[in-house]
Amino acid sequence: AQSVTQLDSQVPVFEEAPVELRCNYSSSVSVYLFWYVQYPNQGLQLLLKYLSGSTLVKGINGFEAEFNKSQTSFHLRKPSVHISDTAEYFCAVTPRGYQKVTFGTGTKLQVIP
Amino acid sequence: EAGVAQSPRYKIIEKRQSVAFWCNPISGHATLYWYQQILGQGPKLLIQFQNNGVVDDSQLPKDRFSAERLKGVDSTLKIQPAKLEDSAVYLCASTFLAGGSPDTQYFGPGTRLTVL
Repeated sequence: AQSVTQLDSQVPVFEEAPVELRCNYSSSVSVYLFWYVQYPNQGLQLLLKYLSGSTLVKGINGFEAEFNKSQTSFHLRKPSVHISDTAEYFCAVTPRGYQKVTFGTGTKLQVIP
Repeated sequence: EAGVAQSPRYKIIEKRQSVAFWCNPISGHATLYWYQQILGQGPKLLIQFQNNGVVDDSQLPKDRFSAERLKGVDSTLKIQPAKLEDSAVYLCASTFLAGGSPDTQYFGPGTRLTVL
């Protein structure tokens, strides 16, 4: 079985400041990793995903994430946040060869003007 | 292309009543998922369909929850009878590929259920 840990339930950050949202996972097999964003009253939308290859993955809206196998982490970063980035962000993992996705508990990013 | 459609968007019922949710996935998507998202938690998979067959329903409380996807297109999720702890947002998602590959899941806006 696999699990995902997002230790920060809320992250306040000033507009134009950098942000990092942390994600750690555990799994007995190789995994694929995802970050989803959920805007208020909307469904989830894929930000980026790591399947293989380069450990630095670039996604939409200027976000990127780095896969670190030794630390079993997949932290999400953005060098300069905007008000419109205010949302909840979910890290997710799925074992290779399967479609079942396990989500973390989410991190609410609050961008302060 | 049209996204994943869900209805209703909001539902309020009393405990022990029944409720049904509807989902229409993106056209041509083989795999359909139902998730339960309780406030403050991440989505939890309830059931996964591939075309009209069930792939995974290990976390579906089968004594009260049921789901079907008869023609391999749209799907309904039913709760009968509802309990207070069923209050949550029910999300539907779909993917194009039929399994094995980590395809992107496309989510609908969800149905927010409140059980009083």
